[in-house]
Amino acid sequence: ETGVTQSPTHLIKTRGQQVTLRCSSQSGHNTVSWYQQALGQGPQFIFQYYREEENGRGNFPPRFSGLQFPNYSSELNVNALELDDSALYLCASSGGTGERQWGYTFGSGTRLTVV
Amino acid sequence: AQRVTQPEKLLSVFKGAPVELKCNYSYSGSPELFWYVQYSRQRLQLLLRHISRESIKGFTADLNKGETSFHLKKPFAQEEDSAMYYCALSKNQGGKLIFGQGTELSVKP
Repeated sequence: ETGVTQSPTHLIKTRGQQVTLRCSSQSGHNTVSWYQQALGQGPQFIFQYYREEENGRGNFPPRFSGLQFPNYSSELNVNALELDDSALYLCASSGGTGERQWGYTFGSGTRLTVV
Repeated sequence: AQRVTQPEKLLSVFKGAPVELKCNYSYSGSPELFWYVQYSRQRLQLLLRHISRESIKGFTADLNKGETSFHLKKPFAQEEDSAMYYCALSKNQGGKLIFGQGTELSVKP
């Protein structure tokens, strides 16, 4: 079974620009969650998508938005980038059956640097 | 407010010594508790969860509702246990995870 893949792995953007990060969920998983991990911190929940609908959102401004596609892959879009948006962005998929329902599978992340 | 606290940023022990990584949480209800681990240059992965009461790689964690703690323990640390450990809670199956800040475990030879 394939894991969660994220692209790109690294990205440098200028303040004020927009960025799109991509995530392919693990086979059989219908739920995708996005997390922001600043340096030296634990991951913080941004939002979750279940069957193409937003299914919960953390304390992030509206310029953070997302999409989930019919194949359960997902995008995270951030508009008007700020320096504080520099972080590792993690995608996690879940939603298998039985015992696997509790297991989130994380991607390796996209390292975003805003200059 | 829901919160997970890991009081130690860094824990350094010698190989063969016992290890306890502390985790305290605040949540009004009965959350599900997890430990995630991130080895060097690898992705975050689930180590164990309290509902399954399992022991993975010699690690165990007991949920103490009275003290709102979920400390991770291992009787004899190994060098390969060196990694970042994150405690996390979720209020329901498939719900968002709330992570602590993480504890870096360093096991010296």
